[in-house]
Formats: sequence, C-alpha cells, structure tokens
Amino acid sequence: AIQMTQSPSSLSASVGDRVTITCRASQDIRNNLGWYHQKPGKAPKLLIYAASNLQSGVPSRFSGSGSGTDFTLTISSLQPEDFATYYCLQDYNYPWTFGQGTKVEI
Amino acid sequence: EVQMVESGGGLVQPGRSLRLSCAASGFTFDDYAMHWVRQAPGKGLEWVSGISWNSGSTGYADSVKGRFTISRDNARNSLYLQMNSLTTEDTALYYCTKAPNLANWGQGTLVTVSS
Repeated sequence: AIQMTQSPSSLSASVGDRVTITCRASQDIRNNLGWYHQKPGKAPKLLIYAASNLQSGVPSRFSGSGSGTDFTLTISSLQPEDFATYYCLQDYNYPWTFGQGTKVEI
Repeated sequence: EVQMVESGGGLVQPGRSLRLSCAASGFTFDDYAMHWVRQAPGKGLEWVSGISWNSGSTGYADSVKGRFTISRDNARNSLYLQMNSLTTEDTALYYCTKAPNLANWGQGTLVTVSS
C-alpha cells in the first residue's frame, strides 16, 4: 500500500499567518491527491482535489500544489475558522490512504 | 441536496458481525463510486473500502481485507458494508462518502466492538 507521510503532525499559528502542510507519498501518485479538514464532532470537508483544484465554495486562501510524490497545502492567511485537523488522501490506487493528520492550533 | 445517512452501528462483541447501511439521496446514485471511511475515537481518518458505480470493482484497506465486504443496491440508492470477525480495533465512527474526491459525507454511524 502507498504510505502517505504528512508533516508536521501539529502546529501552532496565529490569525493572519501563512501556514504550509506537506504530504509525501511513498511512490508516484501523479496528481491523485486531495486535502480535507475536519473540526471536532464534524465530518471531514474537501478543500482541494487533484492536488491543486479548489473545491467549489472553499475560500481562495486555500491552495494546493505538487505532483508525483511531494504535495503542499497552503493557507495564505489563517482565519479563526481554519483551526482544525488537516488530512491528505491519495486516490491513485487501492487501497487509498490518508496521511496521519496535522492539527492546526492557536 | 446531496445527502448520505448511515445506519446499522451499535455495540457488538468481538468475533461477531454487523452490517452497515448508507441511504443516499439528492444525486443519481448509480453514476458514482462510493466509499466507506472510518475514524477510531481520538484518531485520524482511515479509508476502509470503495466500490465502483456498477459493483464491478471494489477495494479494501489491508486492515479489513477478507473480513469486510462492500456492496451496493442501485435500485434502492443504498450502500452497504458487511463486517465479519470484528475486533476491538474496528471500533470507530463509520462514514459513507461519495466519489469523486469524497466531497460529500454522511454524519457517520458508530460501531463499538467490546465484550
């Protein structure tokens, strides 16, 4: 199975900060990567699909980049509602695999 | 509005079986692959299983292969997960989610495996 290594596992940031989260795949997954965030007690929400495509309705401060094995999620200016846990997911082949998550805290 | 409603969770003893269901609405169900994702208490997300629109292709996480079976009934707009030989490691909130890109999720059904 493809392993997804996400870093950091947690980070502390302030409103207005630029935040970057990375995911590394154990093999080439082309651009078959999505980013999600999840708030406590809620279902995950899709932010980015196909590595760099912003999901409809998601604010433009979120962006994704990368292909092959290295991927990045960037939040250009952190807002209070962005404090959550972020996950990457490879959907290149079965079994799909999530990164272990990055908790973004104040 | 796209909606998925999971059901069938509950408390079950180790070694027993359970069948989860997901009722989908608001979209043409048989146009889309569907997936199950779970989350153990306090842990991260784990993709469990996926099935193509016509049931022709399925996939499973290594942790459930040989024990879980995904299926769907397009006439009933429903997705299922048959879970056999359950262990305490299967305790989790199970989400039903829709391809592509898993943009839509249900609220989950809780499975607790305990003696």
